[in-house]
Amino acid sequence: SQQGEEDPQALSIQEGENATMNCSYKTSINNLQWYRQNSGRGLVHLILIRSNEREKHSGRLRVTLDTSKKSSSLLITASRAADTASYFCATDAADYKLSFGAGTTVTVRA
Amino acid sequence: ETGVTQSPTHLIKTRGQQVTLRCSSQSGHNTVSWYQQALGQGPQFIFQYYREEENGRGNFPPRFSGLQFPNYSSELNVNALELDDSALYLCASSRLFPPGTDARHTFGSGTRLTVV
Repeated sequence: SQQGEEDPQALSIQEGENATMNCSYKTSINNLQWYRQNSGRGLVHLILIRSNEREKHSGRLRVTLDTSKKSSSLLITASRAADTASYFCATDAADYKLSFGAGTTVTVRA
Repeated sequence: ETGVTQSPTHLIKTRGQQVTLRCSSQSGHNTVSWYQQALGQGPQFIFQYYREEENGRGNFPPRFSGLQFPNYSSELNVNALELDDSALYLCASSRLFPPGTDARHTFGSGTRLTVV
């Protein structure tokens, strides 16, 4: 079973627009991470937010974490065609194994 | 800094056969994990190795086994292949220990296994 669920399942936006996707999880965590996957290949780590942090930025990425609601959001600003990919949230607890959601597929139209 | 490399890239096996997948960890990492990703799904944790010993296992049967070598490279072995084993197998290395060091994982490009 998967710990997280991403919402929406798919997202289509115009180049230059912002993309927002959400992740909900079920149990207590140490960290929440976001990964990107292009065309069913390997995952690329985007950003990690610790359970005691509420917001984090990295370039065009902004992640929020609300542990009281067990939810996180990933915002990609000023999207580009190269941002077309599947995005996964992954949580880890004391054992550090990653529990993934089913992902959000983002398509950026030129 | 080298990344994580996996081999082979693609593999086709017959039901009932055995398969070995290989992974070379990123330099400086001491932990390797394996994940199975079915089409349209997120990756599922299979197991993790640290200091050449299994350090956690997901909900996978014993016919899934692994090894970690002194140079931190790793193998995933699957016996008695079933059609449902068809998936992308991802290896990830990390520096999880000592605890709190770094929870980020570096993934390889995966091995696409098709069981027919």
